[in-house]
Amino acid sequence: GQQVQQSPTSLVLQEGENAELQCNFSTSLNSMQWFYQRPGGSLISVFYNPSGTKQSGRLTSTTVIKERRSSLHISSSQITDSGTYLCAMERSDRGSALGRLHFGAGTQLIVIP
Amino acid sequence: AQTIHQWPVAEIKAVGSPLSLGCTIKGKSSPNLYWYWQATGGTLQQLFYSITVGQVESVVQLNLSASRPKDDQFILSTEKLLLSHSGFYLCAWRGTISNERLFFGHGTKLSVL
Repeated sequence: GQQVQQSPTSLVLQEGENAELQCNFSTSLNSMQWFYQRPGGSLISVFYNPSGTKQSGRLTSTTVIKERRSSLHISSSQITDSGTYLCAMERSDRGSALGRLHFGAGTQLIVIP
Repeated sequence: AQTIHQWPVAEIKAVGSPLSLGCTIKGKSSPNLYWYWQATGGTLQQLFYSITVGQVESVVQLNLSASRPKDDQFILSTEKLLLSHSGFYLCAWRGTISNERLFFGHGTKLSVL
């Protein structure tokens, strides 16, 4: 089954509202990353967040390893935040050389004026 | 600083034709290298990984091959493309220290007609 569940599938916000994206994992994890995927497909790494909380500008990521979940909070959303956000985790029961990230299906964020 | 370059940016190919996609990493000695693939509307998944020159491990069987002819080069290929090969291909690298983050190239969009 799906090892990475992302929610919501899509989210429509008015500019200025906050967004909360969730990621839940079915197995224990070593690390996880949040990505923004451009319309063309390329990935921009937003956070590499094995555990704890990290903040960068209006973005905050919180990963709780023992609860197998991670969240991405976007405060005061802007139109330019629109796009697809992917979370990906690396399992703890696999060798790190595998570099095998298990991706979620993504959250499509739409920010309207 | 390390850089990752993928080529070509996009390809339109006929069913049954051969394919070769390339990836070069500069500024990092002996990186672990990876190929990922995303079918249109699908979830990103790992195809291959390589931890050293000449050694490639397959993760998912898609009638594709990968090779690592040089320390900094990773090639994805097939002699006969299928319609199902269409999608977005991403190359990635990481260092050899456990739990380092993955860094992705800009990807190649492949359309098989």
